[in-house]
Amino acid sequence: DTAVSQTPKYLVTQMGNDKSIKCEQNLGHDTMYWYKQDSKKFLKIMFSYNNKELIINETVPNRFSPKSPDKAHLNLHINSLELGDSAVYFCASSQETAWGEQFFGPGTRLTVL
Amino acid sequence: GENVEQHPSTLSVQEGDSAVIKCTYSDSASNYFPWYKQELGKRPQLIIDIRSNVGEKKDQRIAVTLNKTAKHFSLHITETQPEDSAVYFCAAGYSSASKIIFGSGTRLSIRP
Repeated sequence: DTAVSQTPKYLVTQMGNDKSIKCEQNLGHDTMYWYKQDSKKFLKIMFSYNNKELIINETVPNRFSPKSPDKAHLNLHINSLELGDSAVYFCASSQETAWGEQFFGPGTRLTVL
Repeated sequence: GENVEQHPSTLSVQEGDSAVIKCTYSDSASNYFPWYKQELGKRPQLIIDIRSNVGEKKDQRIAVTLNKTAKHFSLHITETQPEDSAVYFCAAGYSSASKIIFGSGTRLSIRP
């Protein structure tokens, strides 16, 4: 009965590699997000999708490409990984964008060596 | 642009005492103010929220106050307990931009 799930939980990889993180929500929400939380715990929005359409792209490098095959899934693909990409990436979903609770996934800890 | 400032960045209080975390926001059009709690190694979870038509809201030991004129809002935790130790994030909802902006977080430690 998990509400928002992400895989994998941990990801360790070399610089220059390409990796993907998957996210699924079973809450029937229309909006999904990707957040990046760095080592200082800052929680910064990267992307937001509403009904499979991109509505927010917060000047994230184009090495990051989100994909929403349907409104229950939002995946994040990262090309040419860099050391600075190391962080915890959280997926989240909500019924409304700026006016309601966001439900976060468990996070994916990405370490780039 | 949209900005949410949060203070203090760290806070240590004696168990049983009160803790207060303060936030300010920049866009007067913001109308939704949630607070999230993130325990170590866990996901952020909503603990309380307030909308712009209300000045105060309480839920057991936690309360949030909102001053729209000053663009301030605060989280108050009374009778703190060890399980209150966590990072707390304030946020402001911007309908015009369809997003919520988070503050920088406050690491709250409860001393036994």
